[in-house]
Amino acid sequence: GQQLNQSPQSMFIQEGEDVSMNCTSSSIFNTWLWYKQDPGEGPVLLIALYKAGELTSNGRLTAQFGITRKDSFLNISASIPSDVGIYFCAGQPANTGNQFYFGTGTSLTVIP
Amino acid sequence: NAGVTQTPKFRILKIGQSMTLQCAQDMNHNYMYWYRQDPGMGLKLIYYSVGAGITDKGEVPNGYNVSRSTTEDFPLRLELAAPSQTSVYFCASSTTGISPLHFGNGTRLTVT
Repeated sequence: GQQLNQSPQSMFIQEGEDVSMNCTSSSIFNTWLWYKQDPGEGPVLLIALYKAGELTSNGRLTAQFGITRKDSFLNISASIPSDVGIYFCAGQPANTGNQFYFGTGTSLTVIP
Repeated sequence: NAGVTQTPKFRILKIGQSMTLQCAQDMNHNYMYWYRQDPGMGLKLIYYSVGAGITDKGEVPNGYNVSRSTTEDFPLRLELAAPSQTSVYFCASSTTGISPLHFGNGTRLTVT
């Protein structure tokens, strides 16, 4: 299956700091999604990206579809305690139709 | 609007037992998916369905079976439970094959 490398694996930051995380793949992707998962719950969609170079915001979150189509970035500005959770990227390769592959997640801890 | 509903939330099985994880969605989505999530790992696709009567294998289908007799329901069957199937199972749905996935809250399964 496809390998998605997501980094960093974990982050410990002070409240108010900005956060950056990224995902890379070995092949070209058509779609990139970013999800947040809280303990005991399913992942919730944050941002969806469909075109190379696309930059999309959702409140304090901004994500970009890399120009090479092999990477994506998620930034969180001015972090707050409720940003705590695990963030996953997910991508759909150009040649596999209906399958989304997930990264291994970035665990974010925000220290008040 | 309930979205994607999974039952049960928790289950403990003995080795060799069988069970069915239930998944229902009320969004009239054609596509449905089963993923498993192991600690520190991303989600791995087990099976998916593009509509009633149609199912296909994902990355890790061994030891599982699915059926899709209606648009709303997509049960996952474990016939002979093994410790390697201890995991959190997530069901998801989407309108099309490239649309973002909507997840349920998961079933935590332990096989001992």
